[in-house]
Amino acid sequence: SQQGEEDPQALSIQEGENATMNCSYKTSINNLQWYRQNSGRGLVHLILIRSNEREKHSGRLRVTLDTSKKSSSLLITASRAADTASYFCATDAAGYSTLTFGKGTMLLVSP
Amino acid sequence: EPEVTQTPSHQVTQMGQEVILRCVPISNHLYFYWYRQILGQKVEFLVSFYNNEISEKSEIFDDQFSVERPDGSNFTLKIRSTKLEDSAMYFCASSLASSLHFGNGTRLTVT
Repeated sequence: SQQGEEDPQALSIQEGENATMNCSYKTSINNLQWYRQNSGRGLVHLILIRSNEREKHSGRLRVTLDTSKKSSSLLITASRAADTASYFCATDAAGYSTLTFGKGTMLLVSP
Repeated sequence: EPEVTQTPSHQVTQMGQEVILRCVPISNHLYFYWYRQILGQKVEFLVSFYNNEISEKSEIFDDQFSVERPDGSNFTLKIRSTKLEDSAMYFCASSLASSLHFGNGTRLTVT
């Protein structure tokens, strides 16, 4: 299976703290993406990192990719209560276009 | 900002009935997808559609499922004879390139 698996399954932090979520996958990829899902809503694309990139930033988000370990991390700095959501990594296998999602990490940021 | 819209937001049906879930993708997008998410579980790929035909489908997308783009704007998912285990959130997505834009989903409840 190509799917990414996020770790931890759930994370609870205080506002202002950093949140780190990890994702592991099994086979070679074209790129890896992170999505966010608020309760009862659709997924929203956050950031994409290509297989030849090692790190990418977007605002308070920092994504790393280690293709030798087949893993990625998403760091949210200075978290806010509004960051409370589920976060999913998604990968597309080399040669395919289908995005495969993991089970997600549920992040709770308390004020 | 353009968005993917899905109707209805909630559909209740009896086992064995046919349902049609509707989606209006973003107008200039070329790729269309259906995913589903059983409550609290991972987001699962069903099917992708490009150039008026299915480009990829998963094992879940069996003969009971079909997709259509009947009029150049709508993209529909039909389940011919629903089963209890079809109860889930069904998400439509569209894309122009690598990142997907999701609708807010249709919650399908099969009783």
